[in-house]
This record gives sequence, C-alpha cells and structure tokens, in this order.
Amino acid sequence: DAGVIQSPRHEVTEMGQEVTLRCKPISGHNSLFWYRQTMMRGLELLIYFNNNVPIDDSGMPEDRFSAKMPNASFSTLKIQPSEPRDSAVYFCASSFRGQFGGELFFGEGSRLTVL
Amino acid sequence: AQTVTQSQPEMSVQEAETVTLSCTYDTSESNYYLFWYKQPPSRQMILVIRQEAYKQQNATENRFSVNFQKAAKSFSLKISDSQLGDTAMYFCAFCMNRDDKIIFGKGTRLHILP
Repeated sequence: DAGVIQSPRHEVTEMGQEVTLRCKPISGHNSLFWYRQTMMRGLELLIYFNNNVPIDDSGMPEDRFSAKMPNASFSTLKIQPSEPRDSAVYFCASSFRGQFGGELFFGEGSRLTVL
Repeated sequence: AQTVTQSQPEMSVQEAETVTLSCTYDTSESNYYLFWYKQPPSRQMILVIRQEAYKQQNATENRFSVNFQKAAKSFSLKISDSQLGDTAMYFCAFCMNRDDKIIFGKGTRLHILP
C-alpha cells in the first residue's frame, strides 16, 4: 500500500506568492492532519480533519493559511500571500479514528522556502 | 491545554551504550496515550513505541522501552545497545483518549557515535 503522499517535496517561492501544498492520505484512513516543523517551534499541529470535516484549526497561524479536504483522498494547505517566516517543512499525516491512540502515518513532508 | 516538554535538545552517546531520553507532559485528563516518534535524517516520521495511560506496565519494543510514571507525568524512552541507525530526532507526543489530536514536544536530537 502507498503511504501518505505529499507534493511538492520542495518549493521555493518569493514573498507574496501563493503556495499550495497537497496531500493524499492512506486509503481507509478517516483523519488527516497538517503539521509544520521549524527549528524554533518544533512540530506544530495546524489543523486536522475527521471524515473530511475540519475539527480543530486553532493552530492555523493566521488568515493567510487555509486548508481544505474536498474528499477522503485529497487535502490542500494554501498560504496566500506567503512570507519568509512561513519557511518550514509541512507534514501531512493520516490515521484511522475509532482506534484512539492509533498510529499517525506521515508523508515525507514539503519543504517550503519563501525568499 | 496539554503540553509536552522535552528538556534535552541534543544528546550524544557511544554505540552500544544505553541512553535515556526525557519527556514530561501536562494534562488534566486521566485517559490518554503517549508516543515516541523517530525522525532520521531522511525526514520520515516513524512510530517507535506507544503507551496507554491506563496500563501500568511499561511498553517495550525490542531495544526500546519506556518508563511511564503517571503521577509524575513523566514518559522517558530508553534505548539499549544503541546503534548508529538510532541517530535521529526523537519526539515525545501526547493524545487524549477522547479525540485523536496528537501534540508533540520539540524533540531531542540524538547522535550515536561510532
């Protein structure tokens, strides 16, 4: 089985540009998470979905960030406009809710650099 | 709000030695799960070990074991007979029983020296 698939793996963009990160969770998983990793702040939970519905978006830093999950097999995280402080590795992860304490399966991450 | 604290930003040990990574957490919940994840240089996040708070017995997975002290809210990871492949960032994480939101500590970077 394929794991969590993220794209792009690397993205370099200029300040002010729109960035869209994509994620395909593991088939059959019903929870999806977006995390951001930086040296200073570690792994921060930005938002998570259950059955395609956003459950907790309290970690989304500001209105420039938005996330969608139009169906069970696809999610996007969008930053518009991007700023240099958004530079980080963004991880998508999925799990099967109903098994609390179930394992999170991570994608390989998207490294974003905003110049 | 739940928090997870890893007080050791970086550690180094010689190959074959035993090393213990510390983690403390804060919660008012009584039912929850704790995890250790490993992130090698490849950046891939890998589950190392999981502990249910209602279980008194400490979890073990081969060379990896935990010391879970619920009253002290402490959850340390012991790696026995450390190997070069154990070099990685290690994250302690917490999840309440009533949802599946997982909160991570800031990580401990572990170097295994030849």
